[in-house]
Amino acid sequence: KNQVEQSPQSLIILEGKNCTLQCNYTVSPFSNLRWYKQDTGRGPVSLTIMTFSENTKSNGRYTATLDADTKQSSLHITASQLSDSASYICVVSGKLAGTASKLTFGTGTRLQVTL
Amino acid sequence: DTEVTQTPKHLVMGMTNKKSLKCEQHMGHRAMYWYKQKAKKPPELMFVYSYEKLSINESVPSRFSPECPNSSLLNLHLHALQPEDSALYLCASSQESPRFYEQYFGPGTRLTVT
Repeated sequence: KNQVEQSPQSLIILEGKNCTLQCNYTVSPFSNLRWYKQDTGRGPVSLTIMTFSENTKSNGRYTATLDADTKQSSLHITASQLSDSASYICVVSGKLAGTASKLTFGTGTRLQVTL
Repeated sequence: DTEVTQTPKHLVMGMTNKKSLKCEQHMGHRAMYWYKQKAKKPPELMFVYSYEKLSINESVPSRFSPECPNSSLLNLHLHALQPEDSALYLCASSQESPRFYEQYFGPGTRLTVT
């Protein structure tokens, strides 16, 4: 069964500190992996999307890594800000017959950045 | 324009009501999706439309009825809902590609069934 597991489940850090969120997946065949940021009560917003051949991708203070051999990904947040407080969801895209893709969502890491 | 819009933002309805959720995108995407999200849970896929045809129905109860009038619009018709159907309903769209699917999500409709 396709699964995406994230850790930690929740995290509290001080403003200005760095943190790393983890994602392990079993989705096969693999198409790509995304990290989304979701503020409470809002739709997810894409941070990065990585294909099989990509190891690292950055988007401002967010850096995602992917190891397709071990099926692991991480999201590193540098110099955290209060506005980073949100849920971060790892989403893996597999392949289905046809052209539409079905995504497997992780349960998310709830990050809280405090003063 | 990379925006997916959803209306209404909030909806309160009784169990005997009929209402509709609307979703619109103008990115030329040919796949559109409905998700249901309960608090502190990841989104759950409900329906997928590909080229205006229903391609995936994740065994959703018939009280939810999707409709895709054209490639830019997606509706979700609601009838005889239950209180447990209260959730955030998210619409998303993606560009058709055999290998690359970037999904853009709307802000969601917060549905409360009383």
